Parts: sequence; structure tokens; C-alpha cells
Amino acid sequence: GAVVSQHPSRVICKSGTSVKIECRSLDFQATTMFWYRQFPKKSLMLMATSNEGSKATYEQGVEKDKFLINHASLTLSTLTVTSAHPEDSSFYICSATELATDNNEQFFGPGTRLTVL
Amino acid sequence: GQNIDQPTEMTATEGAIVQINCTYQTSGFNGLFWYQQHAGEAPTFLSYNVLDGLEEKGRFSSFLSRSKGYSYLLLKELQMKDSASYLCAVTNSNYQLIWGAGTKLIIKP
Repeated sequence: GAVVSQHPSRVICKSGTSVKIECRSLDFQATTMFWYRQFPKKSLMLMATSNEGSKATYEQGVEKDKFLINHASLTLSTLTVTSAHPEDSSFYICSATELATDNNEQFFGPGTRLTVL
Repeated sequence: GQNIDQPTEMTATEGAIVQINCTYQTSGFNGLFWYQQHAGEAPTFLSYNVLDGLEEKGRFSSFLSRSKGYSYLLLKELQMKDSASYLCAVTNSNYQLIWGAGTKLIIKP
């Protein structure tokens, strides 16, 4: 099956630092990758959609200068949380859709738990 | 606006059957997904419906009625490991995935 990995799985950082999260599709080429964040007991919130080689499309209310997304290849997307603050602490999940599927099923990475002190 | 409604929480007994409902109002429809999410983990795919009717997959079944904007996830022979949140999500005409808030299912012995 289609596998998506994320690294790191957990990160703790000081306020003001930047954190990079990697999302990789391991055994398929991903047309599109999505970045979500999830607060405790809340639903997934889409932050941005990225297609390989083009700029990411951010959802309303998501600061593109704060959450930098780079989708350099069909198997790798990165999310950089710049100048992180405690309110950025959250569970960040990426997902990817395969190049050739009928149902646009999203395959999810295991998530990255970010804690900003 | 676009929204997905599902109950916040449900409780069921081990070995029993439970039905989790989902109603949706979206700009167009290109399929409905059910995902299972255990606490602290990413969602895992359960089912996909694009045509009306029932899709059965082992202990889990999913039903769709596009005319009613309605779906349900049916879980049979409940096991303790089925305790999780169940997320309903709809793909709209722009192929955006609209998520419900999830239904927390609690299984009691």
C-alpha cells in the first residue's frame, strides 16, 4: 500500500526558533501533498495544498510567511514553522494523493507533534 | 457554506453494532470518505463511497445517499480496539476535502 512518512515524529523547541517537518511518499509519486494541523479533540484543519514544482495554496487565515511549504519533488514536501511560538504547538499531519487513482484518496503520514516552550 | 455534521460522541458495548451518521452540505460532490483516528495518531482510511448504496468491508460498512446528503458508517461485532474517533470527509466539486469534526466512539465491556 501507499506509505507516507513524516520526520520528526516529535519535536520540542524554544520560542522563536524555526522547525522543519518533512513529508515523504515512500512507494509512490504524489501529485499533491496536503498539510493539516489538529488541536486536541478537534478535527483536522487544512493549512495548505502543494503541488510539485509550484507554490502552495494556503487556506484562509494561514500565514504563508510563517508556515513555509516547499514541494521540491514528487515524493517530498517540507513544512517550516518559522519563529515558532507556544500557540503553534499542535499535531501536524501531512497527506498525499497518488498520481493515478480514481478516488483521490489521501494517504496520511503518522504526524508530527510540535511543542513550543 | 460547506459543512459536515456528525455526532460528537457515541457509546456502545463490546460485541454490539453501532451506526455513525454523517450529513453534509457541500458545493458539489465527488466522493465521501470515512477515516478512523486513534488518539495521537494520524487518520487511517476505512471506506470510500461515490455512488449510492452500501459498501461492505469486513466488520465495517458504509452507506451513501447523495440525494439526502447522508452517509453512515456501520461497525459490527465491536471490539475494544474500535474505540477511536471516526471522521467523515467529503470531496467537493473543486476536489477539496471537507472534514467533519469526528465522532468519538467509546466501547464499553
